[in-house]
Amino acid sequence: EAGVAQSPRYKIIEKRQSVAFWCNPISGHATLYWYQQILGQGPKLLIQFQNNGVVDDSQLPKDRFSAERLKGVDSTLKIQPAKLEDSAVYLCASSSGTRVQETQYFGPGTRLLVL
Amino acid sequence: RKEVEQDPGPFNVPEGATVAFNCTYSNSASQSFFWYRQDCRKEPKLLMSVYSSGNEDGRFTAQLNRASQYISLLIRDSKLSDSATYLCVVTLNTNAGKSTFGDGTTLTVKP
Repeated sequence: EAGVAQSPRYKIIEKRQSVAFWCNPISGHATLYWYQQILGQGPKLLIQFQNNGVVDDSQLPKDRFSAERLKGVDSTLKIQPAKLEDSAVYLCASSSGTRVQETQYFGPGTRLLVL
Repeated sequence: RKEVEQDPGPFNVPEGATVAFNCTYSNSASQSFFWYRQDCRKEPKLLMSVYSSGNEDGRFTAQLNRASQYISLLIRDSKLSDSATYLCVVTLNTNAGKSTFGDGTTLTVKP
């Protein structure tokens, strides 16, 4: 079974530029998550989708971050404009259903450096 | 105060040692609990779920104390391959089940 796919794996941009990340979850997984992991910290949930609906985006900086999950499958996360403090690893994860006990499977992440 | 707190370590132990990690959470509405493992520059992977009665998987034992809002992970007979960061994860009992990760505890097992 293929895992969670993410691209690009690495991205370097200058502050105030825009960037987009793509995630393809495990086939059939209903729930998709985007996390931000800053060096030395645990992953912080940015947004959680169930199918193509948002169920939690309370920690998403909505003035600069946006995300969508079209057709309940793959998803994109965009930052516009980027700030220095956005330098982090952006992790996408998916789980098969909607129960809280389910395992989250993570992709390899996108490492973003904002200069 | 953070919602999920862990001792960051690092824990440096010799092979064969027993080591224990602790995690405390602040939201009493938390329903599900997990330990994830994250290797350097890799993604987190589920190590084990934590059940109220406590559970064991080989050398790993996880325990939950709801009254004290405390979770623990015990690793017996440490191996070099156990070197990693261990993340405590707490999920709320809402329909969405929002997960909060601790900042992790780093373990280095030395020969």
